[in-house]
Parts: sequence; structure tokens; C-alpha cells
Amino acid sequence: GNSVTQMEGPVTLSEEAFLTINCTYTATGYPSLFWYVQYPGEGLQLLLKATKADDKGSNKGFEATYRKETTSFHLEKGSVQVSDSAVYFCALPWVQKLVFGTGTRLLVSP
Amino acid sequence: GAGVSQSPRYKVAKRGQDVALRCDPISGHVSLFWYQQALGQGPEFLTYFQNEAQLDKSGLPSDRFFAERPEGSVSTLKIQRTQQEDSAVYLCASSPSRTQETQYFGPGTRLLVL
Repeated sequence: GNSVTQMEGPVTLSEEAFLTINCTYTATGYPSLFWYVQYPGEGLQLLLKATKADDKGSNKGFEATYRKETTSFHLEKGSVQVSDSAVYFCALPWVQKLVFGTGTRLLVSP
Repeated sequence: GAGVSQSPRYKVAKRGQDVALRCDPISGHVSLFWYQQALGQGPEFLTYFQNEAQLDKSGLPSDRFFAERPEGSVSTLKIQRTQQEDSAVYLCASSPSRTQETQYFGPGTRLLVL
């Protein structure tokens, strides 16, 4: 079935640093791809998505481009803030359900 | 409008107790999903409803787990004779239609089995 692999964390950055969290996928066809974020003590929130190859999803300064050549959907942000500290999950659909990566914890210090 | 809500937010159970976890999806959402999230892991699928029909329960880890959505709205996940390995966060998500891939998650119920 479809699956995703994320880089392990934690990723520790200083405020205003550049962020990349890697995600690669294995899928039949070209499904939509998602990034979800989980802030401490909260449920998952959809951060961004892309529905077809070469699409770029963006939200709150975060971006990710659907690359079918490299089967990747890396999450990037040019300047992180302390409030971005959270766990980030890459996900894709498979037979109606969502399949998630193991999550990457981001810690941003002032 | 209100998002997905879950109750209780926290539940402590003694091993062997039965528990019931409730999910109120976004009004009008057709699809409802339950996921289990172990500490430090990503959510893993448990079961899926389209309206009141349970179309996929392949992720339920044992026959101690049972889910229902009798009127196609509120759903309950029941765990009988809880075991320590059942300790996890249980997430509920809903989606507006069968073909809509985006799922909207509730805050989860954190279950601790002692």
C-alpha cells in the first residue's frame, strides 16, 4: 500500500532559521499529499496539501512541492518562529484512510 | 462553525475496565475515521464510517475494540477489558464527502490504562 517516510527528529533551530523537513512517499498513481501539524496537547491540523504533481501547497509561510521525479514532498519555511514548535506529519491517502509518517518534532529557540 | 469534538479529553482506566470514547464530527460530514496514536508515533488507522455504515474496520487491533455510528453522526469507540498496550491518544476525524480526501481532526482522547 501507500506509505510515507519522514526524517527523524528532533529538528532544533534558532528563530529565523531556514527549515526543511524531508518526506518521501511510495504510492500507486499520484495521490494528494498532505502536511499536518500537531501543537503540544492538541489534535492534528491540516497545514497544507497538494493534489497533483508539481503543485505547491502553502500556508502560514510553509511550502511543499509535489515532486513525482523524486517522490518527495519536503516541507520548507524560510524563517521559523518559536510558535512553530510542534510535530509535523507527512501523509497521503490510501483506500479512504490517511497513512502518516512517524512525525518530525521541531523545536525553535529564541 | 464548530470543529470535531471528542470526549473525554483524558481517561484513566484500570486494566480490565471497559471504556467508551465519543466523537462529534463536523455537522453534515459524511465520513468519520478513528485513529490510534501511540506515544512518539504517527496516527494509525482503526476504522472508517460512511454515514452509519462501517466500511472498513481493518485497523482495529483486536475484537476488544468496537466502534459504532448508529445515526450517521456521533460515533463511539468502545474498548472492552482494557490492557496497558491500549494506552494511546485516540483521534477522530471527519470529512465532508466520500471523495474528499482532506480530514479534519478532533483534539483526541488520551487513554491511560494502569
